[in-house]
Amino acid sequence: DAGVTQSPTHLIKTRGQQVTLRCSPKSGHDTVSWYQQALGQGPQFIFQYYEEEERQRGNFPDRFSGHQFPNYSSELNVNALLLGDSALYLCASSSGGPRNTIYFGEGSWLTVV
Amino acid sequence: KNEVEQSPQNLTAQEGEFITINCSYSVGISALHWLQQHPGGGIVSLFMLSSGKKKHGRLIATINIQEKHSSLHITASHPRDSAVYICAVVNFNKFYFGSGTKLNVKP
Repeated sequence: DAGVTQSPTHLIKTRGQQVTLRCSPKSGHDTVSWYQQALGQGPQFIFQYYEEEERQRGNFPDRFSGHQFPNYSSELNVNALLLGDSALYLCASSSGGPRNTIYFGEGSWLTVV
Repeated sequence: KNEVEQSPQNLTAQEGEFITINCSYSVGISALHWLQQHPGGGIVSLFMLSSGKKKHGRLIATINIQEKHSSLHITASHPRDSAVYICAVVNFNKFYFGSGTKLNVKP
């Protein structure tokens, strides 16, 4: 049983470009959350998707958007990239409510130059 | 002010020592998670708590809901325990993370 898988693992983009990151949740999980982790800091919650809807959102600008597909996989899109968007982007999946174990992917390292 | 505060930020221990990492939070929570992150980024969930105490091997996690405080203990620490330990709380499906405690266990 594959856990949470993310792609790509590493990528480099130029300021102003757009990026799409992908996440496949653990089998049987219907909830996907995205996090941004800058170097040396704790993760920051971006948003959570459940039943193809954004259920909760952290303090991120509208440049950060997402989508969840009927098979529960998810995408994170970031438009008009800034240097400060350089970070590790983590995806986590879970099922049921907030009192269930969450499983993290290995993350996508984004560098904006 | 951060919703989740962890202490200490950095911790160096000798192999075999008993280790405690603390987490205080200021929001109401549905659950609290202790996470372990190794160099390279991968995060593993160690515990999910909503009350009381949980034990898994040499790791023990406790939570005091009234005091809004949780602790992660590692007994008989080992160099392979070296990692960043992160406390995360869940409030209405929204996650708040501590900045992490970097633990280095020396042989």
